[in-house]
Amino acid sequence: KAGVTQTPRYLIKTRGQQVTLSCSPISGHRSVSWYQQTPGQGLQFLFEYFSETQRNKGNFPGRFSGRQFSNSRSEMNVSTLELGDSALYLCASSLGRGGDDEQFFGPGTRLTVL
Amino acid sequence: DAKTTQPPSMDCAEGRAANLPCNHSTISGNEYVYWYRQIHSQGPQYIIHGLKNNETNEMASLIITEDRKSSTLILPHATLRDTAVYYCIVRVPHGSSNTGKLIFGQGTTLQVKP
Repeated sequence: KAGVTQTPRYLIKTRGQQVTLSCSPISGHRSVSWYQQTPGQGLQFLFEYFSETQRNKGNFPGRFSGRQFSNSRSEMNVSTLELGDSALYLCASSLGRGGDDEQFFGPGTRLTVL
Repeated sequence: DAKTTQPPSMDCAEGRAANLPCNHSTISGNEYVYWYRQIHSQGPQYIIHGLKNNETNEMASLIITEDRKSSTLILPHATLRDTAVYYCIVRVPHGSSNTGKLIFGQGTTLQVKP
């Protein structure tokens, strides 16, 4: 069974630009969650999509958005990039039930904002 | 805020058992304890989870105290490749509105030494 894939793996952007990151979940998984990891703040939850609907949202500004397609693939978008958005962005997929339903993480996209 | 407390760092000799403690004194009766680990700049890797009973898989064992206020992850024969940050997470139960959200603390950095 293929794991969670994320594209691109590395990205360099400049301030003010926007970026779109993609995540393909494990086959059969309907939930995709996104996380941001920085040295200062650690791993922080961004949002979760389940069956094409945003089900949970973390404490991030509206510049961070996402969507999920009917095949469960998900994208996240960051507009008007700031230097502080430089981070490892991780997505995780699961069946979406909670409890004993494991989340499996992808390798991440390393975003550098110059 | 994370519902778990872990020591920031631990050392372990190669070939010996690594015992990583976690306190989760406010855990609710239907919340699961999960362990993940993250090797430098990779996505977190699922290790094991449990509710009340002790659990074992090919990677590790999870010992949960009877009152469920703490747990210990045991790597029976640590190798250099087990050097990583280990996260203990309390996961909401089935049906919760936050099923797709994992709250990561700072974790324990385990250094396995030759």
